[in-house]
Amino acid sequence: DAGVTQSPTHLIKTRGQQVTLRCSPISGHKSVSWYQQVLGQGPQFIFQYYEKEERGRGNFPDRFSARQFPNYSSELNVNALLLGDSALYLCASSLGFADTQYFGPGTRLTVL
Amino acid sequence: RKEVEQDPGPFNVPEGATVAFNCTYSNSASQSFFWYRQDCRKEPKLLMSVYSSGNEDGRFTAQLNRASQYISLLIRDSKLSDSATYLCVVNNAGGTSYGKLTFGQGTILTVHP
Repeated sequence: DAGVTQSPTHLIKTRGQQVTLRCSPISGHKSVSWYQQVLGQGPQFIFQYYEKEERGRGNFPDRFSARQFPNYSSELNVNALLLGDSALYLCASSLGFADTQYFGPGTRLTVL
Repeated sequence: RKEVEQDPGPFNVPEGATVAFNCTYSNSASQSFFWYRQDCRKEPKLLMSVYSSGNEDGRFTAQLNRASQYISLLIRDSKLSDSATYLCVVNNAGGTSYGKLTFGQGTILTVHP
């Protein structure tokens, strides 16, 4: 069975630009969560979506937004990129919003 | 105080050694608990869930003490392939109605020949 997939795998942007990251959950999973992991730290929760609605939001600025589509895939958008946004962005899928989460390989974003 | 705290290590142990990782969490309303493993520049992968009764999976044993808000992971007979970062993870750390995972900063383990 296919696991969680994310695209692109790597991305280089400059300050002020906008970026869109994509995630496809495990088949049958209805919840997608997004996390940011900077070097040397554990992942930090950004958003969770379940049945196409935002269920939770972490302590991130409004420059970060996301959505979930009818097929349960999801996009994370980050506007006005800052150097500090450089990180590994992880998507996790779960059956329901409180179930065990399984991570995709991540998108490594570098902001120059 | 961090919501989930764990000793960052690093732990350097020889093959065959037994190593223990500890973790504490601050919110008593937390509902479920996990250990994830993360290899260098890869995604976290679920190692095991943690239950109050304790649970074992081969060489790995996890334990939860809700009264002390303490989680542990024991690895017996360490293998070279166990080298990784081990992440202590708490779900619904804030007693919320969604599945927010809160991670510790990770404990680095290196197993050497």
